[in-house]
Amino acid sequence: AQTVTQSQPEMSVQEAETVTLSCTYDTSENNYYLFWYKQPPSRQMILVIRQEAYKQQNATENRFSVNFQKAAKSFSLKISDSQLGDTAMYFCAFMKHEIGADGLTFGKGTHLIIQP
Amino acid sequence: EPEVTQTPSHQVTQMGQEVILRCVPISNHLYFYWYRQILGQKVEFLVSFYNNEISEKSEIFDDQFSVERPDGSNFTLKIRSTKLEDSAMYFCASGQGSPDTQYFGPGTRLTVL
Repeated sequence: AQTVTQSQPEMSVQEAETVTLSCTYDTSENNYYLFWYKQPPSRQMILVIRQEAYKQQNATENRFSVNFQKAAKSFSLKISDSQLGDTAMYFCAFMKHEIGADGLTFGKGTHLIIQP
Repeated sequence: EPEVTQTPSHQVTQMGQEVILRCVPISNHLYFYWYRQILGQKVEFLVSFYNNEISEKSEIFDDQFSVERPDGSNFTLKIRSTKLEDSAMYFCASGQGSPDTQYFGPGTRLTVL
């Protein structure tokens, strides 16, 4: 079974600063996907970024990027030039690379607060 | 942009009653999922569904739960005899392939009294 750990329950930064959210995971799988989802106060789950474990290059999406360290089983999310709208819960999630067995395993989340 | 929709947004029911939560996945997606999030806790996988069959389910998904795709567009989660501890946000998700990115609906908040 997989586990996902997010060790920062809450973080607070000033608008325009850069912030990094940490995530570690434990698995015996060699091939898998990792995701960051954002959950604003509306509670909708919104995909932020995805990383395939077989890719060495770190994924980026505009202001969002990841630092994927496969050997260390670490998958942190960096948000550059943070904006007030980035305030939300952020969940790290793991998915096995196996057809039909792809239920996501989520961490407990980090509550990110962007201060004006 | 296509999105997953869920109805109702909020459902209140009495303990022991049956509820059906409805989802309309993205139209060209083939894989469907239900997740649950108890208030203040993490999101938990319940079940995945493909080709009119359950492909994977968690230990949470016991006999009181069932899923169905009654027509070409809807995907439903039925809870047969609700308990207080079933109170949670229920998210539907869909994906084009497996394994692949899953796109979530806005959720249904279920309150069991």
